[in-house]
Amino acid sequence: SSELTQDPAVSVALGQTVRITCQGDSLRRNYASWYQKKPGQAPVLVISGKNNRPSGIPDRFSGSTSGNTASLTITGAQAEDEADYYCNSRDSSGNHRAIFGGGTKLTVL
Amino acid sequence: QLQLQESGPGLVKPSETLSLTCAVSGGSITSTTYYWGWIRQAPGKGLEWIGSIYYSGTTYYNPSLKSRVTISVDTSKDQFSLNLNSVTAADTAVYYCATDDIVRADFDYWGQGTLVTVSS
Repeated sequence: SSELTQDPAVSVALGQTVRITCQGDSLRRNYASWYQKKPGQAPVLVISGKNNRPSGIPDRFSGSTSGNTASLTITGAQAEDEADYYCNSRDSSGNHRAIFGGGTKLTVL
Repeated sequence: QLQLQESGPGLVKPSETLSLTCAVSGGSITSTTYYWGWIRQAPGKGLEWIGSIYYSGTTYYNPSLKSRVTISVDTSKDQFSLNLNSVTAADTAVYYCATDDIVRADFDYWGQGTLVTVSS
């Protein structure tokens, strides 16, 4: 399948924990990566592979996968975490096609 | 630290060809770690992968754009390029170049992005 599905919007109270999910058949075979996108800025990779954080990404960001669903969890959300979040994986065809989810707008209240 | 920088016209007329270049610095485009990718974001829309290229010239394209896209690489200049022909207003977007990690299958280094507007 070539689709990754995300909830369009999620909100979280400051300091609380939020989970952003991404569903798709490709996630049964491939890990998701997660990107933070703020207006006017390039996307930033926040989670890669099983649960790897690139250098400089706070440890409040974590990732997990179960079946066809990948999750990005922010434990203790901060105001600066308000952004759009996109999941991404290769599709399941083996053709090196990259697919992105539609994005989730995270609001920190 | 790899750095990528997009360049090219910010305005393209409908039916013409959009051409962008991405200059790579802080590393070599002949790296065996990466493909080199193009991603775009139309106003108010999500991220869309356009395609990726290996330094050898092997290319992979988004099937939805494949008929109009050509990505090429110039290893002597450490740069790669995007050509998108027969553009319409729907191709108006911020275009990003990025590293496409072969093993991790993620995009870890990104250019700042360049807005291309399709308008007469």
